[in-house]
Order: sequence, then C-alpha cells, then structure tokens
Amino acid sequence: QKEVEQDPGPLSVPEGAIVSLNCTYSNSAFQYFMWYRQYSRKGPELLMYTYSSGNKEDGRFTAQVDKSSKYISLFIRDSQPSDSATYLCAIFTGGGNKLTFGTGTQLKVEL
Amino acid sequence: GAVVSQHPSRVICKSGTSVKIECRSLDFQATTMFWYRQFPKKSLMLMATSNEGSKATYEQGVEKDKFLINHASLTLSTLTVTSAHPEDSSFYICSASTGPANTEAFFGQGTRLTVV
Repeated sequence: QKEVEQDPGPLSVPEGAIVSLNCTYSNSAFQYFMWYRQYSRKGPELLMYTYSSGNKEDGRFTAQVDKSSKYISLFIRDSQPSDSATYLCAIFTGGGNKLTFGTGTQLKVEL
Repeated sequence: GAVVSQHPSRVICKSGTSVKIECRSLDFQATTMFWYRQFPKKSLMLMATSNEGSKATYEQGVEKDKFLINHASLTLSTLTVTSAHPEDSSFYICSASTGPANTEAFFGQGTRLTVV
C-alpha cells in the first residue's frame, strides 16, 4: 500500500464549479498536510498546509483534514481556467524532514 | 513566498556526458535542500536531502556515485548527473527549506533533462 494515494484524474469541470480533490494516507504518524499546485513543466507551488483535523480556508481554497479516516481534501470554489493545473497533496511527519507526495490530480477548468 | 531559482530549465546532453543542475535560494538561507525526480504523471520522488557543509543523504535505490550532490553554501546546492544515459531523462526539481521543520518547502522551477 502506498503511503499516500491520490486519484490522478484527469478531472474536467466547467468554470465556476466547486472542485473537490482528495488524498488518503496510511501512516497515522503523519502530522502536516500540504497541498501544492503544479503548472505544466514548472515546480510545485505551496497552496496551503495544515496540521490538525478540521478546515482551513484561504480565499477560494479550503483544506480539510480528517485524521480519523486518514483523508484529506482540497476544495476550490468558483473555479477558474487559471486553476487548471496538477494538484499534489503532500504529507510530512514532523519528526523527520521528508515530504511524501501523492501522484497529483490533473485538473482542467473549462470555459 | 521565498524564491528558489533552478538552472538550467532544460538541457539536452549526449549519452555518457555529465550535467550539472544548480539550485539557489535567492532571498533566504536554506539549511536543507532536497532533490526530486518526477516522471510524467507520477509523483515527485525524493532522491536526496542535502545539508550545508555535510554529505547528502540519499534515498534507497538512488546511486550516490551517479547523482552527485554538493551543498557548498547556504544558498546553493548542485546536482550533477554523471555519465548520463537516456533512462536518466526526467524532470528534476529542487526545493529549499527555511528551517529544520520544512513545513514550508519552496520549490525551484525544475529542470527538464533529455539524454540523447
């Protein structure tokens, strides 16, 4: 079983839709949960990170963590064509210094 | 956020030659830098972790003699792919941490290496 599982997509939605991106993880020791956005042929860009169960909101983005289910989500409201990218979840154990990434979900927001 | 510059953005080299990729933190001191490799539609695979002034720590299965990492200063780390072969063709990405916790790792823009 992979440490972090993420549906690779592709996911195609119309402009303005609410997007839900999800990851599951296997190691309950994971403490920090990140979401990165990666445009084609570019390095990942950190969107949000959180370390506790619950929701964290930043503009149109909401990160949600459910530690009991080992499930993390990223919601994008009012999606825009500029949101078209690959979204990677990453999980970090505070004791070490290593990020474990999901495979990324490719998102396309269409006009 | 902090800026990490990676150079070159793309390089084509002949099989058997060596290629050096640079990763610089432009506006902060990076005590730790990370090197990743990414295959199409695959996750980022951590290759090694480098701390300034010490030897890099390589992940299992990564050949340290093939992927030479140097972290000579707090703002510069280099990855040298030695005796490159076509199977080394990939997207290489570095990231730099502002501190030991690495809760915010800033990534370079990546280097597309093609070995012909």
